[in-house]
Amino acid sequence: AQTVTQSQPEMSVQEAETVTLSCTYDTSENNYYLFWYKQPPSRQMILVIRQEAYKQQNATENRFSVNFQKAAKSFSLKISDSQLGDTAMYFCAFDFGNEKLTFGTGTRLTIIP
Amino acid sequence: DAGVTQSPTHLIKTRGQQVTLRCSPKSGHDTVSWYQQALGQGPQFIFQYYEEEERQRGNFPDRFSGHQFPNYSSELNVNALLLGDSALYLCASSWPGSPTQETQYFGPGTRLLVL
Repeated sequence: AQTVTQSQPEMSVQEAETVTLSCTYDTSENNYYLFWYKQPPSRQMILVIRQEAYKQQNATENRFSVNFQKAAKSFSLKISDSQLGDTAMYFCAFDFGNEKLTFGTGTRLTIIP
Repeated sequence: DAGVTQSPTHLIKTRGQQVTLRCSPKSGHDTVSWYQQALGQGPQFIFQYYEEEERQRGNFPDRFSGHQFPNYSSELNVNALLLGDSALYLCASSWPGSPTQETQYFGPGTRLLVL
């Protein structure tokens, strides 16, 4: 079975600090795609960053970067210089080669002014 | 560039009724997937449509059905509503021909409340 686990239900950090959200997963597939989505109170699920499992280089998008450890089946998201607009639910999600997304249960991140 | 749109934004129904939710994919996208997100949970895959056919389905009963039209828009129908069907229903679109074909873009969702 393919599972996704986010072990931090809630996190909070001061504005301008750095925060890391954790995600682990289990799959027997070798080629798959990994994503972090952000869901603010407006409910819109917004793509933050994507990573291909066959790429060793970690993806970065401005203040957002990932630490992908394939052997450990770990995929964490680092947010640098956090901003108030980063307050949201964050979900890691995977396409295990079957073109559908499997989501974790989410981490509620609050940025404190 | 128009993103994914969904209608209606909110809906209230009673048990046993039927509901239809609508989705228009992002411009240039031809594949539509539907997800159910219960309160406090991550989204769960319902089914996916491509070329007007259901291509794959998640672990949802036959009360959940769908349709895709020639213009790639899609409908999700739920019959015999149960209280447990109350959730946020998300539509996502993608384009298999793109370099990032596996990336799905989501609409704002339809919040369904069953009383």
